Amino acid sequence: DTAVSQTPKYLVTQMGNDKSIKCEQNLGHDTMYWYKQDSKKFLKIMFSYNNKELIINETVPNRFSPKSPDKAHLNLHINSLELGDSAVYFCASSQEPATDTQYFGPGTRLTVL
Amino acid sequence: DQQVKQNSPSLSVQEGRISILNCDYTNSMFDYFLWYKKYPAEGPTFLISISSIKDKNEDGRFTVFLNKSAKHLSLHIVPSQPGDSAVYFCAASERTYKYIFGTGTRLKVLA
Repeated sequence: DTAVSQTPKYLVTQMGNDKSIKCEQNLGHDTMYWYKQDSKKFLKIMFSYNNKELIINETVPNRFSPKSPDKAHLNLHINSLELGDSAVYFCASSQEPATDTQYFGPGTRLTVL
Repeated sequence: DQQVKQNSPSLSVQEGRISILNCDYTNSMFDYFLWYKKYPAEGPTFLISISSIKDKNEDGRFTVFLNKSAKHLSLHIVPSQPGDSAVYFCAASERTYKYIFGTGTRLKVLA
């Protein structure tokens, strides 16, 4: 029974398109995150939601918009995709922000052509 | 500005020997540190953590050491097993809602 799941696992799309990645956790956690792992393998936080409220919004282009319909879901919508958006995107969750173990999803590999 | 650094991109160790993975940080305000392990095509999984009030934490074959004066932590795996082959990330936080991750060290345990 998967704790943190993401769909799709792979996403290949053309520049300029709009796409969404979905994330769901069944751990009952209050906090969810989106991370980006780029080609240099840096794992950088993009957003964090706690009880459906945005608590971290790193320097991310406003083409990226997270949406949290409830505590168990945090989706990532990306408008006008660019080549530089190609990366692996990980969703994660934890009970408390920062002071607690984060559980990661399997990742979504986004390729923009 | 990379606040958490793992300067060894890869490490090879014989099965049964000790693996030592290193991590350096620059922010003296960091007070909580974690190690994650990542297999290909999977998300990182939590391995072990340490608070800045300690200098050592042990869990089975895994021990994390923290040297605050040197701003350095290390993960020791004894004895190393082939199943330990993975990428290991260290992460640090100053309890401001986010962790800063290093770039990872790929460990290969040779049978």
